[in-house]
Amino acid sequence: GAGVSQSPSNKVTEKGKDVELRCDPISGHTALYWYRQSLGQGLEFLIYFQGNSAPDKSGLPSDRFSAERTGGSVSTLTIQRTQQEDSAVYLCASSLEGGEKLFFGSGTQLSVL
Amino acid sequence: GQQVMQIPQYQHVQEGEDFTTYCNSSTTLSNIQWYKQRPGGHPVFLIQLVKSGEVKKQKRLTFQFGEAKKNSSLHITATQTTDVGTYFCAGQEYNQGGKLIFGQGTELSVKP
Repeated sequence: GAGVSQSPSNKVTEKGKDVELRCDPISGHTALYWYRQSLGQGLEFLIYFQGNSAPDKSGLPSDRFSAERTGGSVSTLTIQRTQQEDSAVYLCASSLEGGEKLFFGSGTQLSVL
Repeated sequence: GQQVMQIPQYQHVQEGEDFTTYCNSSTTLSNIQWYKQRPGGHPVFLIQLVKSGEVKKQKRLTFQFGEAKKNSSLHITATQTTDVGTYFCAGQEYNQGGKLIFGQGTELSVKP
């Protein structure tokens, strides 16, 4: 596709349920990032994938959060047993190589009731 | 861990006034990037600075990277209503791969 695609654009879930957020990066981009943005706040780093290297998971806030990137392309961020404080916009970004300019998707707005 | 601080958090200006946002890192950076996020939108890349003391200009925007590569600034001359949005810096440390840590952002509002 022309840009980074994220789905769903909106997700409403009940506390305690699991959710999966999907990111389709720009074709050929080797680096993929997940960030979380709460209302009116900055971008909180979650995880970074670079090619076939082990991902940098240092930003994941708890073991309820996990992410994978299959075939060096599509990535899925999974949040288990969601809590209300997980409500935020989850942004995915990709870049040609790690550390180069990021192209962001439009994000997934997650609301945990 | 790496921290990137940005000030001010908010800035309200009259159209035509200048605006500056400052970014400070707790560690030395290999490079710094700047992004703009319009209300309701996602961050869009503006520029990347790599060299110590580097200064780059894009029309009314001037970006600087400090000599010690720990701070940066974005200056907008004669703001326009189209400049409204939140400006973020993002720093990359040495030996941390491509991990980019964002500052909290400066939200700019411009009164016409």
